[in-house]
Amino acid sequence: DTEVTQTPKHLVMGMTNKKSLKCEQHMGHRAMYWYKQKAKKPPELMFVYSYEKLSINESVPSRFSPECPNSSLLNLHLHALQPEDSALYLCASSLEGPGVHEQYFGPGTRLTVT
Amino acid sequence: QKEVEQNSGPLSVPEGAIASLNCTYSDRGSQSFFWYRQYSGKSPELIMFIYSNGDKEDGRFTAQLNKASQYVSLLIRDSQPSDSATYLCAVSISNFGNEKLTFGTGTRLTIIP
Repeated sequence: DTEVTQTPKHLVMGMTNKKSLKCEQHMGHRAMYWYKQKAKKPPELMFVYSYEKLSINESVPSRFSPECPNSSLLNLHLHALQPEDSALYLCASSLEGPGVHEQYFGPGTRLTVT
Repeated sequence: QKEVEQNSGPLSVPEGAIASLNCTYSDRGSQSFFWYRQYSGKSPELIMFIYSNGDKEDGRFTAQLNKASQYVSLLIRDSQPSDSATYLCAVSISNFGNEKLTFGTGTRLTIIP
């Protein structure tokens, strides 16, 4: 089973709202990732958690705040977003750290900021 | 120079023919190479990974890796209309001691019935 789940599937939020994206995997993977993907572009890495610790932050604005409550769960807290943050947000996981093992993606959350 | 390069296409291939997708990368130290398929509006789906020089076959898919030429390719035999998608090449690249997956811009493949 290589399933990564994400909720919600779609999210519309205003620029003053606070919302969270959730990601879950039960494959025993110890690395989890957040990516952002704009239309017709490849996924762009935002954050990497390895063994529940933040190991990579790709200079993401502080209006995006990641959290890894345990090895199966990954959250992305959103606050005061801009319209240009509208994108597909993808969660992925891998057995261990980035680049070493294959990453499996969840279905994504389509975010629209109004 | 882009770290991972792919021809953006579109690449049109008749049904039943072989589709050949190519990718070059800049980091000679890269060790892991992946091909993802992405249908419009969906998330990337891993279809092949390869770590050693040579060929790796899985069903209708063959990944080929040549580290000396910094080149990785994906062959799809007996192409089907359902293979029409964007194919993303991803390569592990070391950046200040951190390995991360870097994606090419993708090749859009269309299988013509």
